[in-house]
Amino acid sequence: DGGITQSPKYLFRKEGQNVTLSCEQNLNHDAMYWYRQDPGQGLRLIYYSQIVNDFQKGDIAEGYSVSREKKESFPLTVTSAQKNPTAFYLCASSMRGSTEAFFGQGTRLTVV
Amino acid sequence: AQSVTQLGSHVSVSEGALVLLRCNYSSSVPPYLFWYVQYPNQGLQLLLKYTTGATLVKGINGFEAEFKKSETSFHLTKPSAHMSDAAEYFCAVSETYSGAGSYQLTFGKGTKLSVIP
Repeated sequence: DGGITQSPKYLFRKEGQNVTLSCEQNLNHDAMYWYRQDPGQGLRLIYYSQIVNDFQKGDIAEGYSVSREKKESFPLTVTSAQKNPTAFYLCASSMRGSTEAFFGQGTRLTVV
Repeated sequence: AQSVTQLGSHVSVSEGALVLLRCNYSSSVPPYLFWYVQYPNQGLQLLLKYTTGATLVKGINGFEAEFKKSETSFHLTKPSAHMSDAAEYFCAVSETYSGAGSYQLTFGKGTKLSVIP
């Protein structure tokens, strides 16, 4: 089945550690996105990528990094510089020229 | 710059009653508008979208929304609530991201819908 796979579903991290969240899609979509969701805050854009080897900062990129070495993969690294990393992270993708974004099931990151 | 305001962070309705979730937007260009639904610990699923054409848009699960340009609104309705409608609903607006042909979404803060038996 085509779709977006995020892993792991739940992730625990100690303070000061970097952690990488995986996002893979087999929809052949050009664009991929990372959003952060906090209760009562909606979704806020962290990074997005329109094509391979290119990505742009979103509204809240500080403390995060991404790569786009393959069309189907867009991993997000939460670095130790992110002051409040505990949140629900959602990855999405869309076709070039399409108005519809498809979302993964999310990764809940908890810093302990 | 685009923005979305959802009135009411939490709405409760009785089973069988009308569902009305409010969304107002601002956009410097004609917008594309969306409603998404999210169940606990899940991703977002598209309910419906308005791009061009008919201003009354029908979506999945019996939901519909009407684009009213004069009111800059895109309210979501369903005539009769079902227990399975209990979820969080997000309104979103997008403008074409110049030069790339992809669309960047801006989301409202969400409205959590509770359905009372």
